[in-house]
Amino acid sequence: DVKVTQSSRYLVKRTGEKVFLECVQDMDHENMFWYRQDPGLGLRLIYFSYDVKMKEKGDIPEGYSVSREKKERFSLILESASTNQTSMYLCASSLSAGSNYGYTFGSGTRLTVV
Amino acid sequence: GEDVEQSLFLSVREGDSSVINCTYTDSSSTYLYWYKQEPGAGLQLLTYIFSNMDMKQDQRLTVLLNKKDKHLSLRIADTQTGDSAIYFCAENSYGGSQGNLIFGKGTKLSVKP
Repeated sequence: DVKVTQSSRYLVKRTGEKVFLECVQDMDHENMFWYRQDPGLGLRLIYFSYDVKMKEKGDIPEGYSVSREKKERFSLILESASTNQTSMYLCASSLSAGSNYGYTFGSGTRLTVV
Repeated sequence: GEDVEQSLFLSVREGDSSVINCTYTDSSSTYLYWYKQEPGAGLQLLTYIFSNMDMKQDQRLTVLLNKKDKHLSLRIADTQTGDSAIYFCAENSYGGSQGNLIFGKGTKLSVKP
């Protein structure tokens, strides 16, 4: 089974802190994605990566950065956390573009910024 | 740009059939997907359909695709309380880089006993 593991299920951080959300996949997938999910807004793509050290901005990259130093790991960084970044964060991976396998998602990290 | 639309809520009684509808805009999509998200969890791939198919059946699930109208539906027969979840429709679109999936906002299915 393909597994996408997010390091924390729940996280509480203070405003202004630097926050790292980690995601690891074990199936040698090329593509990895970070989304945030908010009620009524669905999934919004923050950043994605299609190869090691490669990254592309999604729809809402402001206030976030990412790092992909190894193929299996994709980190989302909140440089200075703010209360409007309180959300559910979902990581996903996929084998390749056009694959019928779609995305495999992690269980999510619910981040609260106080 | 690409867009996927679905209604936000659906309520059914246990044992009834549920039909969740979705419309999409990218006629070049090769695959269309349904994902299920249970409370507090990530999304799980439920089923998918290739764009040259009209229908796909998998146990209690039936996916219907109308390419002309760009309409996708998911029918759940004999809906159970365990089917209560948010269901996301998604298309793979080559409008963005690397064939990203475009998701709808999700339909929250509530099943009443």
